[in-house]
Amino acid sequence: EDQVTQSPEALRLQEGESSSLNCSYTVSGLRGLFWYRQDPGKGPEFLFTLYSAGEEKEKERLKATLTKKESFLHITAPKPEDSATYLCAGPTGQGGSEKLVFGKGTKLTVNP
Amino acid sequence: DAGVTQSPTHLIKTRGQQVTLRCSPKSGHDTVSWYQQALGQGPQFIFQYYEEEERQRGNFPDRFSGHQFPNYSSELNVNALLLGDSALYLCASSLSFGAGYPEQFFGPGTRLTVL
Repeated sequence: EDQVTQSPEALRLQEGESSSLNCSYTVSGLRGLFWYRQDPGKGPEFLFTLYSAGEEKEKERLKATLTKKESFLHITAPKPEDSATYLCAGPTGQGGSEKLVFGKGTKLTVNP
Repeated sequence: DAGVTQSPTHLIKTRGQQVTLRCSPKSGHDTVSWYQQALGQGPQFIFQYYEEEERQRGNFPDRFSGHQFPNYSSELNVNALLLGDSALYLCASSLSFGAGYPEQFFGPGTRLTVL
C-alpha cells in the first residue's frame, strides 16, 4: 500500500533554532516528491518538487533534500511566520495522471 | 494571474442532503484533482478529471461524483451526506503535459460541515 509518513507530528522551536522535518515513503512508482506548506483553514501552498535522489532545493530559510527512501525539510533560523503545517506528498500514477499521496504533516510552531 | 479558486468558502448541510462544490483551475491548467482533508489529516485523493473525463479515482464511494466542463472548471458532487463527510474539500489544478512531473496547485478549499 502506498504510504507517506512524516515525523515528528509536531515540533516547537524557538526563533532562530534550526531543525529538520522528515518524510519517508513507500510509494510504488514514486518518481519525485512534493513539499507543501499549509496554514490553518487554507489550501496547501506549493514549496518544492524534488525529482531524484541527491537533489536539493532552497527557498528563503527552507531547504529540501531527497534520498532514495526519504526527504528532509531543513529550516534554518526559523521565524514565527514559518509556523504552519508542512506536508509532503508522493506523486504516483501513469504519466500525466499523477495523484498525490500525502503524509499527515508536521505542525511547526516557532515561538518568538 | 488568478490562482485556483473554489466556491463556496463554507457550507453547512444536514445528513442525507446533496452538495455541489465548484472549482476554477489556474490559468493554463487542464487537469483538476479533488481531495478531502479531515481535521488533523493529510489530504486524501478523491478523483482527477482531464478532458472532461474521470481519469483516476481514489477509495471513495459512488456518492462522490464529479464533472469537468470544456473551460476546465470542475464540480464535485456528494449525495446522501453523512456526518463523516465533514471536511475541507480541496481542488488542485495542474498541466498534464510538460517538463518534469505536473505540479499541483491548490485552491483555498471549501469547508463542509454536515449536521
